[in-house]
Amino acid sequence: DTGVSQDPRHKITKRGQNVTFRCDPISEHNRLYWYRQTLGQGPEFLTYFQNEAQLEKSRLLSDRFSAERPKGSFSTLEIQRTEQGDSAMYLCASSLAESGRRTGELFFGEGSRLTVL
Amino acid sequence: DAKTTQPNSMESNEEEPVHLPCNHSTISGTDYIHWYRQLPSQGPEYVIHGLTSNVNNRMASLAIAEDRKSSTLILHRATLRDAAVYYCILRDVAQGGKLIFGQGTELSVKP
Repeated sequence: DTGVSQDPRHKITKRGQNVTFRCDPISEHNRLYWYRQTLGQGPEFLTYFQNEAQLEKSRLLSDRFSAERPKGSFSTLEIQRTEQGDSAMYLCASSLAESGRRTGELFFGEGSRLTVL
Repeated sequence: DAKTTQPNSMESNEEEPVHLPCNHSTISGTDYIHWYRQLPSQGPEYVIHGLTSNVNNRMASLAIAEDRKSSTLILHRATLRDAAVYYCILRDVAQGGKLIFGQGTELSVKP
């Protein structure tokens, strides 16, 4: 399968624990995005990378959240000291941005569902 | 970010056409109109996009008003697999190409 893959698909944790999600984008895609989605709402933008550089972070991304894309390929999203309000689906997407051309469509993974007890 | 307005929900009968409206009165000249849909328990998927002219692809058609302040996604023959939340999004590629999702329209399709 050459789509965007996310791991784990489901994570149940206790409040206060740290969790990490991984996203593997489509191989030639240089842009990678993280979103969060709660039940009944549209996805909310969190952050995005161009290659290894994190170019934008939403105000939703509190200090407990950190995202990395160390080699410009896969990315991780870590949440420290989880709270019940962090329970959500975390979606990753990738796209191809070429200089002088319009950024391509976003391809989304199936998401990582987090439940904080 | 420019915003869009969509009905919360719509119903359709199977094999009939569906017209999903979207208002975007504050659209700027560099905004593309994108449509994504999200099937239950899946991530969103691209449907179609356009700038000024109407567009057709294998999934749907996009009709854009002459003043660009509204658009309509057209599914020519709805199937049960088209039941999803449809998002109309204005995308300024100068802003990193990110998508800002609204609430979308939940489409249900009756057999």
